[in-house]
Amino acid sequence: AQSVAQPEDQVNVAEGNPLTVKCTYSVSGNPYLFWYVQYPNRGLQFLLKYITGDNLVKGSYGFEAEFNKSQTSFHLKKPSALVSDSALYFCAVRDYPGGYNKLIFGAGTRLAVHP
Amino acid sequence: GAGVSQSPSNKVTEKGKDVELRCDPISGHTALYWYRQSLGQGLEFLIYFQGNSAPDKSGLPSDRFSAERTGGSVSTLTIQRTQQEDSAVYLCASSPRVGRIQETQYFGPGTRLLVL
Repeated sequence: AQSVAQPEDQVNVAEGNPLTVKCTYSVSGNPYLFWYVQYPNRGLQFLLKYITGDNLVKGSYGFEAEFNKSQTSFHLKKPSALVSDSALYFCAVRDYPGGYNKLIFGAGTRLAVHP
Repeated sequence: GAGVSQSPSNKVTEKGKDVELRCDPISGHTALYWYRQSLGQGLEFLIYFQGNSAPDKSGLPSDRFSAERTGGSVSTLTIQRTQQEDSAVYLCASSPRVGRIQETQYFGPGTRLLVL
């Protein structure tokens, strides 16, 4: 069965510093991976996805993610954090094949960016 | 353009009452998903619609939960005889086409349900 793990409940970073939010995955077959962000009392907003191709994926709001097949990881990164990046971040894997493409989510990581 | 919309945004109900949650997907999107976000369970899949049919209902937690979709558009999630453990945020998502693994799911703002 497909699964993702987000090993950190919370990540704290100072504004202007680089940030990394970690995600590891376990799949049978090819991985199709997504990152979403959730601001307070809001739905999930799509950031980026890896389907195939380049291991470095660029997304919205200056975020990028690095796909590493040997380490089965898909870490989210940003070179310089903003206070406004503070939110809840979810990594997800597509349940494929046979799962009608539904998403299986990690537990989420709360990012706190301090001024 | 307009995104996924859900109503109501908040719903408070008494234990044992029935509730209906509505989702309006992005126009033209054929695939529709319901998820539930709760403190204890995180984000979990409930049901998937392909047009008006639901080939995957595997995530519905009990027979008190049902959903329908009409006209290939609006979907309603119904919870009968609500229980306190049903308290959660119910999220709806849609994507343009069926069966395309690269498709992105776009989420609505959710309905926050509180069962007293």
